[in-house]
Amino acid sequence: NAGVTQTPKFRVLKTGQSMTLLCAQDMNHEYMYWYRQDPGMGLRLIHYSVGEGTTAKGEVPDGYNVSRLKKQNFLLGLESAAPSQTSVYFCASNLRTSGGQYQETQYFGPGTRLLVL
Amino acid sequence: RKEVEQDPGPFNVPEGATVAFNCTYSNSASQSFFWYRQDCRKEPKLLMSVYSSGNEDGRFTAQLNRASQYISLLIRDSKLSDSATYLCVVAWYSGYALNFGKGTSLLVTP
Repeated sequence: NAGVTQTPKFRVLKTGQSMTLLCAQDMNHEYMYWYRQDPGMGLRLIHYSVGEGTTAKGEVPDGYNVSRLKKQNFLLGLESAAPSQTSVYFCASNLRTSGGQYQETQYFGPGTRLLVL
Repeated sequence: RKEVEQDPGPFNVPEGATVAFNCTYSNSASQSFFWYRQDCRKEPKLLMSVYSSGNEDGRFTAQLNRASQYISLLIRDSKLSDSATYLCVVAWYSGYALNFGKGTSLLVTP
């Protein structure tokens, strides 16, 4: 299993450009998340999804959109990048067990480093 | 007010030392507690979950005090490979909405 993978690993954008970050997991996890990590701020939740076709806002959703068209993929879009979106973006996923109790351990991808000039 | 507070450190300790990290959380309805480890420029990885009765995994011991809303991590016999940032993580609901502390930096020196 590859676990959680993220594409691309690094990207430089100009202000106003758009891009999509791709997260893929091969663990059949129901839940997927997008976080950003900034120096001195810790990890903050941007958006999350509790299943295919569903998405919800996290702590810092402004300026981002997401889609979960397939269970294994969770896309994060920046429609018009701003310098404030310079950050390291982590995707994570976890399993919802059949008994309804959630396995909280989140597995993280290696991250995408984004620089917006 | 930050939901999860940690001393950022850095903690500089010699090999073989014992070091303890503390963490406080603000939401008394919190249900799940974890310590994650993050190496420089890498993704966070689960170190251990924290249970009310306290739990141990090798050289690592975690404690939870719900009354004081306080979590601790004790590392005994520190190794050079323990150098990393340790993230205190709290969740109110199972399955999502993990709240991360900013992390405590540990450097173990020869």
